[in-house]
Amino acid sequence: GQQVMQIPQYQHVQEGEDFTTYCNSSTTLSNIQWYKQRPGGHPVFLIQLVKSGEVKKQKRLTFQFGEAKKNSSLHITATQTTDVGTYFCAGPRSGYSTLTFGKGTMLLVSP
Amino acid sequence: KAGVTQTPRYLIKTRGQQVTLSCSPISGHRSVSWYQQTPGQGLQFLFEYFSETQRNKGNFPGRFSGRQFSNSRSEMNVSTLELGDSALYLCASSLNRVNYGYTFGSGTRLTVV
Repeated sequence: GQQVMQIPQYQHVQEGEDFTTYCNSSTTLSNIQWYKQRPGGHPVFLIQLVKSGEVKKQKRLTFQFGEAKKNSSLHITATQTTDVGTYFCAGPRSGYSTLTFGKGTMLLVSP
Repeated sequence: KAGVTQTPRYLIKTRGQQVTLSCSPISGHRSVSWYQQTPGQGLQFLFEYFSETQRNKGNFPGRFSGRQFSNSRSEMNVSTLELGDSALYLCASSLNRVNYGYTFGSGTRLTVV
């Protein structure tokens, strides 16, 4: 079945450093979505990418969708302590509308 | 507008018991999906409901079931609870089956002892 893999599983950075998480799918995706889950919270939708090679920015966050629509990345510039949480990518299950989630990258930011 | 409401927030049950969890989606949202979240397995898809019909089902045993009512509210039921069913159960709603992004509820934390 479809698999969505994320690396790294965990990253600890100093405040002000950059952070990147990568997402790879075993199948071509019609779109990819990113979610953030704060400790003790629930996943919150960040963004959806649809087009091959698409790049979108939200303040210090940059999201990219690969040309082959099988991989994606999230880059955070100059991390802040408010960026702490687990970042998940998710893509539609093949032939379905429901999402398959990666296992997430946990980000810890030290002040 | 009100978000996705899940009740109860916390549950402690004994092995062998059964449990029913409830989810009220955002008003106007017709699609409800359920996920199980555990530290080791991440977010695992349970099922999706749309217009009172189960549209998709994940790889979970038959002990896990659900339904959706005419007002889009959904329930999931787990019978004969096992220790491994301890998890955060998340409900997500979306406007329709074309996925523009889920809105998740706060979840129900189930502990089986």
